[in-house]
Amino acid sequence: RKEVEQDPGPFNVPEGATVAFNCTYSNSASQSFFWYRQDCRKEPKLLMSVYSSGNEDGRFTAQLNRASQYISLLIRDSKLSDSATYLCVVNWNNNDMRFGAGTRLTVKP
Amino acid sequence: DGGITQSPKYLFRKEGQNVTLSCEQNLNHDAMYWYRQDPGQGLRLIYYSQIVNDFQKGDIAEGYSVSREKKESFPLTVTSAQKNPTAFYLCASSDAGRTEAFFGQGTRLTVV
Repeated sequence: RKEVEQDPGPFNVPEGATVAFNCTYSNSASQSFFWYRQDCRKEPKLLMSVYSSGNEDGRFTAQLNRASQYISLLIRDSKLSDSATYLCVVNWNNNDMRFGAGTRLTVKP
Repeated sequence: DGGITQSPKYLFRKEGQNVTLSCEQNLNHDAMYWYRQDPGQGLRLIYYSQIVNDFQKGDIAEGYSVSREKKESFPLTVTSAQKNPTAFYLCASSDAGRTEAFFGQGTRLTVV
């Protein structure tokens, strides 16, 4: 089992659609979780932190399920500008960050 | 402005040469990381450092070396032993293991 695993996609959705990404992780001791967004040929940038039972920021909702060891990202009312790769990031033993391979999203008019 | 700076942005190297990528941060972060990203792939950890004068190998450390002589600097050397060095290299720092990482803009290394 990969340490941090994401559905690679690509997800192709129309504007206004709701889309959800899942990410599973293998280290039950992990305490911190994040979603990053990476645009083509750019560095990743923090989209949301995910703590305890999850959180919401506008059209974005992140949730954590510790028992099943997965986190999710829900994007409502998709915009063209949401097109990017979304990376799941898990803190590993409080020492380093482990990244998923990313899920590619394309929002079409 | 506080941030993390990588240089150069683009780098070309001849086969058989060592090359050093610079990473500097003025965020006063203890932890620093180097990742490699290949086209269409996720990030893979090369090395990380939690404190000055200490660093740990990541998943793909072979052919790379690092140093952490100062808190703000974490240079990465790509040696001639690295068989396929052409990639996008990203440096990151974080305050501690539990907080988010901040990334530099990356260095695109091409072996010619």
